[in-house]
Amino acid sequence: EIVMTQSPATLSVSPGERATLSCRASQSVSSNLAWYQQKPGQAPRLLIYGASTRATGIPARFTGSGSGTEFTLTISSLQSEDFAVYYCQQYNNWPQTFGGGTKVEIK
Amino acid sequence: QITLKESGPTLVKPTQTLTLTCTFSGFSLSTSGVGVGWIRQPPGKALEWLALIYWDDNKRYSPSLKSRLTITKDTSKNQVVLTMTNMDPVDTATYYCAHGQIQPSPWFDWGQGTLVTVSS
Repeated sequence: EIVMTQSPATLSVSPGERATLSCRASQSVSSNLAWYQQKPGQAPRLLIYGASTRATGIPARFTGSGSGTEFTLTISSLQSEDFAVYYCQQYNNWPQTFGGGTKVEIK
Repeated sequence: QITLKESGPTLVKPTQTLTLTCTFSGFSLSTSGVGVGWIRQPPGKALEWLALIYWDDNKRYSPSLKSRLTITKDTSKNQVVLTMTNMDPVDTATYYCAHGQIQPSPWFDWGQGTLVTVSS
């Protein structure tokens, strides 16, 4: 099973600042990596798939990059609605696996 | 517009069998390449993928839970059913169903989730 490790666990950022979230896979997952956003009491929402493709309706301030084992999600200028928990997921190998999440909180 | 909704009991006793139904609209499970899966999330914890069924009835299960899970589909009703046997308090979680495509694929659309508590 591929282990997905996200860092940091919590990221404190001021509105308008840039946020950089990391995700590492225990072995290569090619570009089969997705990012999801989850707000309290809500289901996860797909942000990025294929490591760098924004899902439908996702603002351009969300950028995904990386391949193989190292991936990054960058939020260029944090808006109030972006404070949430973010999960990465590999879907290259069975079983699919998720990271432990990064909570982006208001500084 | 794609929507999915989970339904089932909110409380089950230890050792009982859980049956959850995902009712969806906006796509068909008879369309080539379509899949529906289940993911769960214990309170305050991360997401865990459980099972997946494709349009052609091909199925995939989490290895750690495979012996306890069964996933089936009813294409005519636009439903997918997940059963989990021998429920334990550690299975307390919000259970989500989600829509994807033939692997490799992320989960494009999610249901709102249903919280299942396992307690005597």
